[in-house]
Amino acid sequence: EAQVTQNPRYLITVTGKKLTVTCSQNMNHEYMSWYRQDPGLGLRQIYYSMNVEVTDKGDVPEGYKVSRKEKRNFPLILESPSPNQTSLYFCASSLKVYNEQFFGPGTRLTVL
Amino acid sequence: EDKVVQSPLSLVVHEGDTVTLNCSYEVTNFRSLLWYKQEKKAPTFLFMLTSSGIEKKSGRLSSILDKKELFSILNITATQTGDSAIYLCAVVSNFGNEKLTFGTGTRLTIIP
Repeated sequence: EAQVTQNPRYLITVTGKKLTVTCSQNMNHEYMSWYRQDPGLGLRQIYYSMNVEVTDKGDVPEGYKVSRKEKRNFPLILESPSPNQTSLYFCASSLKVYNEQFFGPGTRLTVL
Repeated sequence: EDKVVQSPLSLVVHEGDTVTLNCSYEVTNFRSLLWYKQEKKAPTFLFMLTSSGIEKKSGRLSSILDKKELFSILNITATQTGDSAIYLCAVVSNFGNEKLTFGTGTRLTIIP
């Protein structure tokens, strides 16, 4: 089944404790991206990747890192999480940026 | 800075009514506009529009793009309670960095 998977789905952590949210797609898509969704602010792009080893900042990259060592995986790293990073995070992929994006199920992160 | 504005922010109608959702944008080097539906989970794709004046249709949903006036509308006829959702508009720009910008969404509630 074609899909985008994210793990974990739910995470409660404390300020400063490094964490990684994994994202994997099985559709051989070139384009992958991370979004955060907050009430009243909609979906905001954090980082995106147009292909392996090619990543770039979206609208809200501060406090996040990404890597794209393989085509299928695009992990999101929070080196030192802070409470303002409490949010719902979505990973998405598409064949090219202008095609339909397939979204993962979301990761709800709470930073205390 | 790219901007996508959706209106109204929220809409409550009775089952059977017809609704029109709006999306206006200001982006550098427009490439495409996408509509998504988000219920309680991840957004799901509805339409992609690239050419002005050509209507995309799927059942009771239809959408059209006006590249001159920089907006798109999403129409839903004979609404049903299952249409209750947040409807998101996203614009792809292509100017060196290919990124997506989402609007904040329209929350549609259908009353039986």
